[in-house]
Amino acid sequence: ETGVTQSPTHLIKTRGQQVTLRCSSQSGHNTVSWYQQALGQGPQFIFQYYREEENGRGNFPPRFSGLQFPNYSSELNVNALELDDSALYLCASSSYSGAKNIQYFGAGTRLSVL
Amino acid sequence: DAKTTQPNSMESNEEEPVHLPCNHSTISGTDYIHWYRQLPSQGPEYVIHGLTSNVNNRMASLAIAEDRKSSTLILHRATLRDAAVYYCILRDKGDDKIIFGKGTRLHILP
Repeated sequence: ETGVTQSPTHLIKTRGQQVTLRCSSQSGHNTVSWYQQALGQGPQFIFQYYREEENGRGNFPPRFSGLQFPNYSSELNVNALELDDSALYLCASSSYSGAKNIQYFGAGTRLSVL
Repeated sequence: DAKTTQPNSMESNEEEPVHLPCNHSTISGTDYIHWYRQLPSQGPEYVIHGLTSNVNNRMASLAIAEDRKSSTLILHRATLRDAAVYYCILRDKGDDKIIFGKGTRLHILP
């Protein structure tokens, strides 16, 4: 059973550019959640995908968008990058079952915006 | 989402038990109490969760107060590898997302 994998591990972009981050969910999981973690803070929920549909969104602007594919892998896209978008982006997969479910996290993608 | 309050940091000696407190005075009857931890340079990792009764697993124990307004994560014998940020989280029964606070940074002294 493979765990959650994210790519790339590190990325450097300049302000105004666009970025795509990728996540492969754990085998058997149909739900993917994305989080942003600024330095010294806890992760902040961006959005969640369940069976290829967005299933909840945190307080992030529309330039943060995502996709989930039929194999339940997922992408996070960020347009018009700003300096404050520099953070660790975490992906978590789970089997949708409400508050009792366990989310399994990847190691994250570290994005630096210059 | 109901909020939790945790100490910013704690210290413990290696091979001793560690009790990590969490206050959640506004918890609702359908909120589950979850604990995750984040080791350095890794994503968060599930530790344990419960609703009303105390829970044990191979990693830790969760002691829940009778009025559910507080809980304690217990690491029975801390190792250096347990040094991490520990997050206490409330999740409503229909809620699949996790709302993280700042957590408690646990330092383990050799």
